[in-house]
Amino acid sequence: QKEVEQDPGPLSVPEGAIVSLNCTYSNSAFQYFMWYRQYSRKGPELLMYTYSSGNKEDGRFTAQVDKSSKYISLFIRDSQPSDSATYLCAVNDYKLSFGAGTTVTVRA
Amino acid sequence: EAQVTQNPRYLITVTGKKLTVTCSQNMNHEYMSWYRQDPGLGLRQIYYSMNVEVTDKGDVPEGYKVSRKEKRNFPLILESPSPNQTSLYFCASSLASGSAGELFFGEGSRLTVL
Repeated sequence: QKEVEQDPGPLSVPEGAIVSLNCTYSNSAFQYFMWYRQYSRKGPELLMYTYSSGNKEDGRFTAQVDKSSKYISLFIRDSQPSDSATYLCAVNDYKLSFGAGTTVTVRA
Repeated sequence: EAQVTQNPRYLITVTGKKLTVTCSQNMNHEYMSWYRQDPGLGLRQIYYSMNVEVTDKGDVPEGYKVSRKEKRNFPLILESPSPNQTSLYFCASSLASGSAGELFFGEGSRLTVL
């Protein structure tokens, strides 16, 4: 069983829409949860991280962790064409394990 | 500028011809790692190095070697490349592994093995 599962999409939304991305993970011992963003022809870069359960907000981005259901979410409000990228969830124990990534296109 | 630099960025080679992908970081990071990225499979770890003295296999080490002779460099070696090693490769580094250590990635090396 993979440590983290992510729907690969792709996802296409109009500008201004809310983007919702989700992952599930297998090991209840995971404590650190991250979202990386990867633009085309670039390496991934850390977007947000959350420790344990709860929400974390950064501008238009909100990361949620529900440890009871082992579910990780990323929401993008008022999406912009510049948000078009692949988003990878990751869980961190002694190493990072990545989801497959969801490719998001925000149409102007 | 803080960065992870990989070379070459693009490479086409033939089966069995040894090649090396170099990786260098200028952030004085202890931890370095190599990943390959394939459609539908995401990022899979090939090898990692906790520091210059400790290197270990990741999830998909077969067909690869690494070397960590100095802190800043972590080359990936394909002794006898095969077509199933056609992929996009990323080198990454962080201050330390585990916990919330942010990984900094290079821009990737796209390798095609014919």
